[in-house]
Amino acid sequence: DIQMTQSPPSLSASLGDKVTITCQASQNINKYIAWYQQKPGKAPRQLIRYTSTLVSGTPSRFSGSGSGRDYSFSISNVESEDIASYYCLQYDNLPWTFGGGTKLELK
Amino acid sequence: QVQLKESGPGLVQPSQTLSLTCTVSGFSLTSNSVSWVRQPPGKGLEWMGAIWSGGSTDYNSALKSRLSISRDTSKSQVFLKMNSLQTEDTAIYFCATRVFAYWGQGTLVTVSS
Repeated sequence: DIQMTQSPPSLSASLGDKVTITCQASQNINKYIAWYQQKPGKAPRQLIRYTSTLVSGTPSRFSGSGSGRDYSFSISNVESEDIASYYCLQYDNLPWTFGGGTKLELK
Repeated sequence: QVQLKESGPGLVQPSQTLSLTCTVSGFSLTSNSVSWVRQPPGKGLEWMGAIWSGGSTDYNSALKSRLSISRDTSKSQVFLKMNSLQTEDTAIYFCATRVFAYWGQGTLVTVSS
């Protein structure tokens, strides 16, 4: 199984900050990584697929990059509505595996 | 529009079998896969398994011995059955499609006597 090591587990930011979350796969996942936002009591929402493709409706302040084993997800100009948990998912190989999550909080 | 909705018992006794239904609309099960994902309270997401458009299935190896996913295409429903439940199986159970582009609202299952 491919392990997805996501860091940091938690992040504190001020409004307007840029934050970056990373996911490292235990092997090459060929850019098949997606990023999800989850707010309390809600299902996750897909923001980015295939490393850097923004899903329809995702604000442009969200971005993703990476290749091979190393990937990152950034939010520029953090807004209050971005306070949530974020997860990466590799879908290159079964079983699909999620990162452990990052909880973004306001400083 | 694509919609998914989970249903099933909120409470299951230890050692019993969990049965959940995911009712979908807005897409065909013969053209799309559906996965089950669970999330223990306050914890992360775990892919449990999927049923593919052709009807074949794949499971998370950690759950494979206890898990079965099936479907009824005429009713647009996907079923999850997992036996030998323990307290650590307490979680919100989601169904999702298209590499989790679309999710159901989730259903909380508590394993307790």
